[in-house]
Amino acid sequence: DGGITQSPKYLFRKEGQNVTLSCEQNLNHDAMYWYRQDPGQGLRLIYYSQIVNDFQKGDIAEGYSVSREKKESFPLTVTSAQKNPTAFYLCASSGRERGETQYFGPGTRLLVL
Amino acid sequence: DAKTTQPTSMDCAEGRAANLPCNHSTISGNEYVYWYRQIHSQGPQYIIHGLKNNETNEMASLIITEDRKSSTLILPHATLRDTAVYYCIVRAIYGSNYKLTFGKGTLLTVNP
Repeated sequence: DGGITQSPKYLFRKEGQNVTLSCEQNLNHDAMYWYRQDPGQGLRLIYYSQIVNDFQKGDIAEGYSVSREKKESFPLTVTSAQKNPTAFYLCASSGRERGETQYFGPGTRLLVL
Repeated sequence: DAKTTQPTSMDCAEGRAANLPCNHSTISGNEYVYWYRQIHSQGPQYIIHGLKNNETNEMASLIITEDRKSSTLILPHATLRDTAVYYCIVRAIYGSNYKLTFGKGTLLTVNP
């Protein structure tokens, strides 16, 4: 079954704690993205990676970090520096076929305890 | 990316066609029109995209006006499961325009 998976579906973070959100794709896509969605709002780009071992900051990268060691995986770490981490986090990927259309995973909802 | 304008909400009866409009009067020649939808608490789902010709797939049809300043997404036989927020996005492809800019979208409610 091809697609993008994100885990966990729900994640709870304590104050001062770093947490890592997983994103895996088996679509053989080169590019991967992380977006954040707040209630009633559109998506905002956190980080993106167009190729393995390379990634770029998006519009709201402060307090987040990523790595891209494998083509299939693009984990996002929400650090303690992110003061308002409660949100819905969405991972996407795109390839050269179909005009770099981005396909999204099911999302991870992060809540702060 | 060009700005898009969509109605905040629309209603549709189950089994009828749902026609969702989008205005993108500042669209550039190399920009495509994309449609996504998002069902509550799920990731956005790609529906369709096009440049200037009308497009159809298993989910929907996309009608783009000749001047490309507006478009309409058509769900031919809406079901209750089509209730979602529908986003119209304009972006260039095959370039450095990596970001999808989601606005507020249109909340489509399909009624029984």
